[in-house]
Amino acid sequence: AQTVTQSQPEMSVQEAETVTLSCTYDTSENNYYLFWYKQPPSRQMILVIRQEAYKQQNATENRFSVNFQKAAKSFSLKISDSQLGDTAMYFCAFMKLQGAQKLVFGQGTRLTINP
Amino acid sequence: DVKVTQSSRYLVKRTGEKVFLECVQDMDHENMFWYRQDPGLGLRLIYFSYDVKMKEKGDIPEGYSVSREKKERFSLILESASTNQTSMYLCASSLHATNEKLFFGSGTQLSVL
Repeated sequence: AQTVTQSQPEMSVQEAETVTLSCTYDTSENNYYLFWYKQPPSRQMILVIRQEAYKQQNATENRFSVNFQKAAKSFSLKISDSQLGDTAMYFCAFMKLQGAQKLVFGQGTRLTINP
Repeated sequence: DVKVTQSSRYLVKRTGEKVFLECVQDMDHENMFWYRQDPGLGLRLIYFSYDVKMKEKGDIPEGYSVSREKKERFSLILESASTNQTSMYLCASSLHATNEKLFFGSGTQLSVL
């Protein structure tokens, strides 16, 4: 079975700073997807970024980028030039490429951006 | 845009009641999922469905059942609600088995008293 661990329950930074959220996972699969989801107070889960494990290049979406270390089973999210609207719960998630299309989530990190 | 609608944003029920949580998606998605979200535990999969009348257990199915009589609707049923089922329930859908993008509803916060 796959597990996903987010070791930072809460983080807080000042607006415009850069922040990195950590995520590690455990799997015996070789091909899979990794995701970061954002859940603002509205509770709507929003896909921030995704990474295919077979791609060596780290995914980037505007101010959001990942550091994917497959051998170390690490998948951190970096938010550059943080904005007040980035305040949310952030979840790291894993999905196998084959078979049941289930997302396995980490415990979440509550990120607060202070003005 | 895909819309996943959960019928109630907040729900309060008594222990022992039968509870129905409804989820509807409007984009003809094949896959639908029910997750439970608890602080410190993240989201955990309760049940999922790949097609009409088809269901599979997730990681924490005990105390729950599901129904999918129509493709667009996926219901989560608590046969006899208990206080430990107080939680946030999130529904999600995706197009088909080879599509990894999930769309989520806004959640139902259920309190069982």
